[in-house]
Amino acid sequence: EAGVAQSPRYKIIEKRQSVAFWCNPISGHATLYWYQQILGQGPKLLIQFQNNGVVDDSQLPKDRFSAERLKGVDSTLKIQPAKLEDSAVYLCASSIVGGYEQFFGPGTRLTVL
Amino acid sequence: ILNVEQSPQSLHVQEGDSTNFTCSFPSSNFYALHWYRWETAKSPEALFVMTLNGDEKKKGRISATLNTKEGYSYLYIKGSQPEDSATYLCGTGAQKLVFGQGTRLTINP
Repeated sequence: EAGVAQSPRYKIIEKRQSVAFWCNPISGHATLYWYQQILGQGPKLLIQFQNNGVVDDSQLPKDRFSAERLKGVDSTLKIQPAKLEDSAVYLCASSIVGGYEQFFGPGTRLTVL
Repeated sequence: ILNVEQSPQSLHVQEGDSTNFTCSFPSSNFYALHWYRWETAKSPEALFVMTLNGDEKKKGRISATLNTKEGYSYLYIKGSQPEDSATYLCGTGAQKLVFGQGTRLTINP
């Protein structure tokens, strides 16, 4: 069974630039999560989708972050414009509906200079 | 927002020794406790999901216990091996997980 795929694995940008991350969840997993993990901290949930609808985006900084999951499968997370404090690992995870276990991708390490 | 704390933040252990570390969490509104192992440049890997007070789970040399009344979980590694070197994350919640900052474990050969 293929795992959660994410790309790119690494990205370096200048502040005020835009960046987008892509996630492909495990086939059949209707629930998709984006987490932000800043160095020295635990992962923090940014947004949770079920199919193509948003379940929780209470911790997503909506002035600069956006996410979509148009067809209920792949998802993209965008930052526009990026700030220095956005440097982090962005993790995507997926699960079955109502499932406790979340399966994570390898993450995208973003460095904002 | 729940507050999950892990200790210690980092740990160096000699190969062959056993070790353990702690995850503390608010005991109110408890749903589940998750342990993940996260090796550098790889995906976090689920170790255990625990829901019942007093639960104990085991996978090979790794085991975990759960006390939901006092709000803590222990992770034990018996006979540490170099491949156990990783960051161990705990998180609480049903689907919206709140994670601790992790314990970074290094096994010295």
